Amino acid sequence: KNQVEQSPQSLIILEGKNCTLQCNYTVSPFSNLRWYKQDTGRGPVSLTIMTFSENTKSNRRYTATLDADTKQSSLHITASQLSDSASYICVVKKAQTGANNLFFGTGTRLTVIP
Amino acid sequence: DADVTQTPRNRITKTGKRIMLECSQTKGHDRMYWYRQDPGLGLRLIYYSFDVKDINKGEISDGYSVSRQAQAKFSLSLESAIPNQTALYFCATSAPLAGSTDTQYFGPGTRLTVL
Repeated sequence: KNQVEQSPQSLIILEGKNCTLQCNYTVSPFSNLRWYKQDTGRGPVSLTIMTFSENTKSNRRYTATLDADTKQSSLHITASQLSDSASYICVVKKAQTGANNLFFGTGTRLTVIP
Repeated sequence: DADVTQTPRNRITKTGKRIMLECSQTKGHDRMYWYRQDPGLGLRLIYYSFDVKDINKGEISDGYSVSRQAQAKFSLSLESAIPNQTALYFCATSAPLAGSTDTQYFGPGTRLTVL
């Protein structure tokens, strides 16, 4: 069964601290993995997309890693800011045609407090 | 200005009513999607369209219908709303790129409550 599991479900950290969010998946065959940020009351916004050959990808203070062998990804946030408070969603794309090939995690709710 | 807009942003309706949610985009993308988001669940695909004459069912299409009026417009209808259709609805667009990494761009969402 194609599944995407994220942990933790929620996380509270102090402003300025780092954190790491996890994503494990069973989707196969694998095409790519995406991390989205969803602010409260807004639609998800893409942070990064990683293909099979990419191990690490950075976007400002966000660094995503991918281990396609163990089917794991992480999103590391450095020097967190209050504006990082949001849900972070991991999405895995299966290598097949059509649009029924995206599998969404339930997200990690991050709260950054002053 | 937002590239993907949805109207209405919030709607409360009663069981049995017909509801239409509208989505417009200025990104020039051919592909458009409708998703619903429920607490504790990932986004689930309702319908998608890869061009004006193309309509496809997603994972949870029962109880919903769509219309692709133009490249820029994709509407979602609930013919007879029921309470378990209470959810946050998102429209998204994408443009196929070389390979498979076409990013989806989401609208701001419509919060629908069916009483």
